[in-house]
Amino acid sequence: DAKTTQPPSMDCAEGRAANLPCNHSTISGNEYVYWYRQIHSQGPQYIIHGLKNNETNEMASLIITEDRKSSTLILPHATLRDTAVYYCIVRVGANAGKSTFGDGTTLTVKP
Amino acid sequence: KAGVTQTPRYLIKTRGQQVTLSCSPISGHRSVSWYQQTPGQGLQFLFEYFSETQRNKGNFPGRFSGRQFSNSRSEMNVSTLELGDSALYLCASSLTGRETEAFFGQGTRLTVV
Repeated sequence: DAKTTQPPSMDCAEGRAANLPCNHSTISGNEYVYWYRQIHSQGPQYIIHGLKNNETNEMASLIITEDRKSSTLILPHATLRDTAVYYCIVRVGANAGKSTFGDGTTLTVKP
Repeated sequence: KAGVTQTPRYLIKTRGQQVTLSCSPISGHRSVSWYQQTPGQGLQFLFEYFSETQRNKGNFPGRFSGRQFSNSRSEMNVSTLELGDSALYLCASSLTGRETEAFFGQGTRLTVV
């Protein structure tokens, strides 16, 4: 699985959009970009994933650059409950369980 | 439907002892993966089981082992515990391990003293 690079921490004001970047310059053509988040002492929670096209669901939007070497997770209206560690990982669709998580980005949403 | 259930939630063991952790996947899920999470190393993949067979394995010593039962429930065992084994152990389940999403349990917090 390709390695990802994320900033260690970010702050965001409550109600504003949180934009979390991720670099994955060695991504292969068949690898998806996945985002998970982990709230303190809980198991990681799936947020969204994509291959080439931008994706949106009820939680977030995922913007993938055309060369697929980087992506951005967007939480459109961050709340205090979105404070968590956000992990960007890349992997092929198979072996969903065999995911290599990096250090992630600690997002702190402030009132 | 019920999520992934891990038991126990918290555990304290002494160096040299062994420990067994349990994971019950979501009903119908046949793939179970185990992870170790520590502050220094982050989330690291241990192994994956599917249909009672270990399908993938991470880079951990042989003291870490696991198994899966016919009902897809999985256990992992750590023998000869070391202080460094103190961690949050997480399991994740999915239908076959080839889906796009895996569901994580709340984890078992193991403390070795």
